[in-house]
Amino acid sequence: EVQLVESGGGLVKPGGSLRLSCAASGFSVSDAWMSWVRQVPGKGLERVGHIKSKSDGGTTQFAAPVEGRFTISRDESKNTLFLQMNSLKTEDTAVYYCTTYHIGVAGYDYYFYMDVWGKGTSVTVSS
Amino acid sequence: DIQMTQTPSSLSASVGDRVNISCRASQSIRSYLNWYQQKPGKAPKVLMYLASTLRGGVPPRFSGSGSGTDFTLTISSLQPDDFATYYCQESYSFSGTFGQGTRVEI
Repeated sequence: EVQLVESGGGLVKPGGSLRLSCAASGFSVSDAWMSWVRQVPGKGLERVGHIKSKSDGGTTQFAAPVEGRFTISRDESKNTLFLQMNSLKTEDTAVYYCTTYHIGVAGYDYYFYMDVWGKGTSVTVSS
Repeated sequence: DIQMTQTPSSLSASVGDRVNISCRASQSIRSYLNWYQQKPGKAPKVLMYLASTLRGGVPPRFSGSGSGTDFTLTISSLQPDDFATYYCQESYSFSGTFGQGTRVEI
């Protein structure tokens, strides 16, 4: 069974750093496109960033609000995805979900949806 | 970035009602639209992709329509398990912008 379990959330002061982990089982994190999605309590969903599979180049892309402050990496030996968050701001307070992408082919184009989700880990940025 | 706007932001309905939720994209996204359902305290689950393709296991009372910029999620006969928040997401770009959500309440 494919499963994702996030950890590492907590309380951090503005300007601080935090690293979130997403332990995967049932598949290899290197073989999948994966993303981090966040949700401010009571609000909507925001994709934070994603990482391509190793075979697709392993590059990352981030949403504008976190570009330059957040990075995504993975440890194949631990089958774990990471989100390194630096220079944290109060507006980064949210529940952070790790997800896999399902990528399919429709005609000559690709489509995707966020397939498997973890339960989320809560990050609070406050002084 | 593509902007996604859902209407209404919330609605009240009864069991058995037909419910429509709209999603509009700021530019054409062809049929590259996903719908998710989220219940309180839980992660979202995908219901539909490519605007109208039901994910396996999703009840057929859910349907989707639209292309270009305007899309609709329809629940033909609302069931108690369907009270939740629904989000659309464009899959035209890997930015995957979500709509702000529509809360379906009793």
